Amino acid sequence: DSGVTQTPKHLITATGQRVTLRCSPRSGDLSVYWYQQSLDQGLQFLIQYYNGEERAKGNILERFSAQQFPDLHSELNLSSLELGDSALYFCASSVAGLAGDTQYFGPGTRLTVL
Amino acid sequence: AQTVTQSQPEMSVQEAETVTLSCTYDTSESDYYLFWYKQPPSRQMILVIRQEAYKQQNATENRFSVNFQKAAKSFSLKISDSQLGDAAMYFCAYRSRMTGGTSYGKLTFGQGTILTVHP
Repeated sequence: DSGVTQTPKHLITATGQRVTLRCSPRSGDLSVYWYQQSLDQGLQFLIQYYNGEERAKGNILERFSAQQFPDLHSELNLSSLELGDSALYFCASSVAGLAGDTQYFGPGTRLTVL
Repeated sequence: AQTVTQSQPEMSVQEAETVTLSCTYDTSESDYYLFWYKQPPSRQMILVIRQEAYKQQNATENRFSVNFQKAAKSFSLKISDSQLGDAAMYFCAYRSRMTGGTSYGKLTFGQGTILTVHP
């Protein structure tokens, strides 16, 4: 158990819908990362937050948005869902968001878009 | 942009034997970190080992060790005395130490290598 929690574990929804994935980092960690793992794209970095502010951005679609709240939990919002958005979405956290920090991964949220 | 390549989609090993997983990367940077992550069937991503590029000494964690060749941009993982619990997908990953860039925080992953351990 990494100490990072993600809810829900599984999510099944229809095209065009909007969903919210939630992540609670390890106690004491200030930085949160979101990754997408799909069969065709592999593991891709989406976005990083540090203490409530966006720190780095990767291949995140405009239909996707994220935020980190004052209590440090983070949410990833996916809207206008398409079949290709079906994937495993990981949240990871680290102490300070520095390059050398170990990123601890949560168990992931499996999103299925029908 | 940095890229990470794992050229072995699948590998297999007999229990108690040694196996080496390959990884190459492409970067113009001189300072970075390299990682190996393990993803068992549970899908949980677990850090196996990390290497700082500025350190010449290869990292070791119990049965896991790396062969880091900076000039060749190669970073292989050796698993000794393989155990059934080592069966998983293994990912090589790169992380820049360059601060301020838009990709500073990200881990760039390879495609993964599925390791099967035979009893």
